[in-house]
Amino acid sequence: GQQVQQSPASLVLQEGENAELQCNFSSTATRLQWFYQRPGGSLVSLLYNPSGTKHTGRLTSTTVTKERRSSLHISSSQTTDSGTYFCAIYNTNTGKLTFGDGTVLTVKP
Amino acid sequence: EAAVTQSPRNKVTVTGGNVTLSCRQTNSHNYMYWYRQDTGHGLRLIHYSYGAGNLQIGDVPDGYKATRTTQEDFFLLLELASPSQTSLYFCASSVGNTLYFGEGSRLIVV
Repeated sequence: GQQVQQSPASLVLQEGENAELQCNFSSTATRLQWFYQRPGGSLVSLLYNPSGTKHTGRLTSTTVTKERRSSLHISSSQTTDSGTYFCAIYNTNTGKLTFGDGTVLTVKP
Repeated sequence: EAAVTQSPRNKVTVTGGNVTLSCRQTNSHNYMYWYRQDTGHGLRLIHYSYGAGNLQIGDVPDGYKATRTTQEDFFLLLELASPSQTSLYFCASSVGNTLYFGEGSRLIVV
C-alpha cells in the first residue's frame, strides 16, 4: 500500500528560528497536502501542493513528485506554531488519503 | 465553510459492547473518511466512501464496519468493541482538494 514517511519525528526550536519538515511518499499517482493539528485538537489543511512550490504566510512547501518528496518550511517560528504537522497523499486512482505519522513541533519562547 | 460534526465526542464502553460513531457533513461532499489516531501512529484510515451506499476498505478495517446512508451521513460501527479500539476517531469529508475534519470522537473500551 501507500507509504508516507515524515521526518524528523519531533523538532524543538526557539521562537524566531526556521523549521524544515520532510515528507517522502511511495507513489507518484498522488496529490500531496500538509495539515496541522493543534495539541488535543482537530486537523486543518495548511497547503495543497501536488508539485512545485507553494507559499502561504510564513509557510513554504516544495514538492518534487518524480523524487517522491515534499518539504514544509516554516519561517520565523512562533510559539503558536507548536503542534503536529502531517503530510498526506491522495491517491488519484483509489481516492484513498494516507497520512504520515507526523512531526511534533515545539517552539519555545 | 463546510462543517463536519461527529457524535458522540466522548464514549466509554465495555469490552464486547456495541458502539456507533456518527459523522455528518453539511456540504454534500462526495468523499468521507474515518480515521483512528493513536500515539505514535498518526492517522490510520479505517474506511472511506465516495457516495451514498458506497464503502471502500481502508488500511486498518479489522473490527470495524461502516455505512454511508446518505450523502451527508457516514457511520462507523464497532459491534464487539475491544480495548485495542480505544482511540481518537476522526471523520473527514472532501471535495476536490479541500478536506474538512470533525473535532474527533474519543472512545475508551474498558
